[in-house]
Amino acid sequence: GQQVMQIPQYQHVQEGEDFTTYCNSSTTLSNIQWYKQRPGGHPVFLIQLVKSGEVKKQKRLTFQFGEAKKNSSLHITATQTTDVGTYFCAGRAGGFKTIFGAGTRLFVKA
Amino acid sequence: DGGITQSPKYLFRKEGQNVTLSCEQNLNHDAMYWYRQDPGQGLRLIYYSQIVNDFQKGDIAEGYSVSREKKESFPLTVTSAQKNPTAFYLCASSITSVAAGELFFGEGSRLTVL
Repeated sequence: GQQVMQIPQYQHVQEGEDFTTYCNSSTTLSNIQWYKQRPGGHPVFLIQLVKSGEVKKQKRLTFQFGEAKKNSSLHITATQTTDVGTYFCAGRAGGFKTIFGAGTRLFVKA
Repeated sequence: DGGITQSPKYLFRKEGQNVTLSCEQNLNHDAMYWYRQDPGQGLRLIYYSQIVNDFQKGDIAEGYSVSREKKESFPLTVTSAQKNPTAFYLCASSITSVAAGELFFGEGSRLTVL
């Protein structure tokens, strides 16, 4: 069945350093979404990518969707303590079955 | 305000008991989902439904059951057949559009089996 792998599992950074998490799917995706979950909270939608090679930016966050629509990345420039949490990618291979990666937990040291 | 309401927020149950988690949405979304999250892990799909009176198994449906009799409601029953039911359960909904299908999550229900 469809699998979505995400690395790394954890990332510790010093405030101001950059951070990247990577997502790979076993199947071609129709779209990929990114979510952020703060400790003790629920996932909150960040963005959706649909087109091959698509790049979207939200302030310090840059999201990319691979040409083959099987991989994606989230890059945060100059992390802040407010960026702490777990970042998940979630993919759809067709229909509305949405499979999540295991997430990357980001720790930011001030 | 529109959103997804899950209840109860915390639930304790004895082994061998069934328990039903409620999920209600007033977003007029057609699709609804149930995920399970274990400490330090990602979200695993239990069941999802794209329309009333229809639902599909996700990756870990064994030991769970659902119903979708109304568009607004998608309750999850954790049966005694579920061997490790202690977890954080998240319900979500979305519109049925490939171009704009973000998931809106409830605040979750934390189930502990004693």
